[in-house]
Amino acid sequence: EVKLLESGGGLVQPGGSLRLSCAASGFTFADFYMSWIRQSPGKAPEWLTFIRNKANSYTTEYNPSVKGRFTISRDDTQNVLYLQITTLRAEDTAIYYCAKLLYDATYYYGVVDAWGQGASVTVSS
Amino acid sequence: DIVMTQSPSSLAVAAGETVTINCKSSQSLLYSGNQKNYLAWYQQKPGQSPKLLIYWASTRQSGVPDRFIGSGSGTDFTLTISSVQAEDLAIYYCQQYYDIPWTFGGGTKLELK
Repeated sequence: EVKLLESGGGLVQPGGSLRLSCAASGFTFADFYMSWIRQSPGKAPEWLTFIRNKANSYTTEYNPSVKGRFTISRDDTQNVLYLQITTLRAEDTAIYYCAKLLYDATYYYGVVDAWGQGASVTVSS
Repeated sequence: DIVMTQSPSSLAVAAGETVTINCKSSQSLLYSGNQKNYLAWYQQKPGQSPKLLIYWASTRQSGVPDRFIGSGSGTDFTLTISSVQAEDLAIYYCQQYYDIPWTFGGGTKLELK
């Protein structure tokens, strides 16, 4: 069974930084593209970023809305996905989900076939 | 960015009814290279993470009941739930993965009549 368990959320002051972690199990983590998605209270999910696997040089893509403040990374030896967030703003308040991307036939696609339970981040003074 | 517009925003149904949720994209999601529509549907129950229902506009994810049917092509898509059950009450989101940034529709809340 695929499991994704986020940690590192909490209350942060505006301007602060945070690093979220996602411990993955139940699948060969190193093979898969992984992503972060957030959801503000009462809103639709917002895709933030994804990272490719080693075979694709761990390259990354970002939503322009967060590029420059958010950094995705992974540790395939520990099966952990990370999201570093800097210069936090009130509008970054959300549930942050770790997500596994779909592998279909021969390629990876921007479809989330497994979600974590989410880490709550509140930005407030 | 590709804008995804869902309608209606909420829908009240009785158990056993068939419902239709619409999703419209601001540009075509049909990729000519493989003739596939880059459109997915998710279900989110209260207090839970979203769950993948359908991708490629009409391919059901493993384990999803066959009362969930996705259809459409290009810019207009539909999720049909036949014989709605109480467990189907949730918010449904469409999402395009044709182009980065991947974007979601605003959601359709399915409520009990």
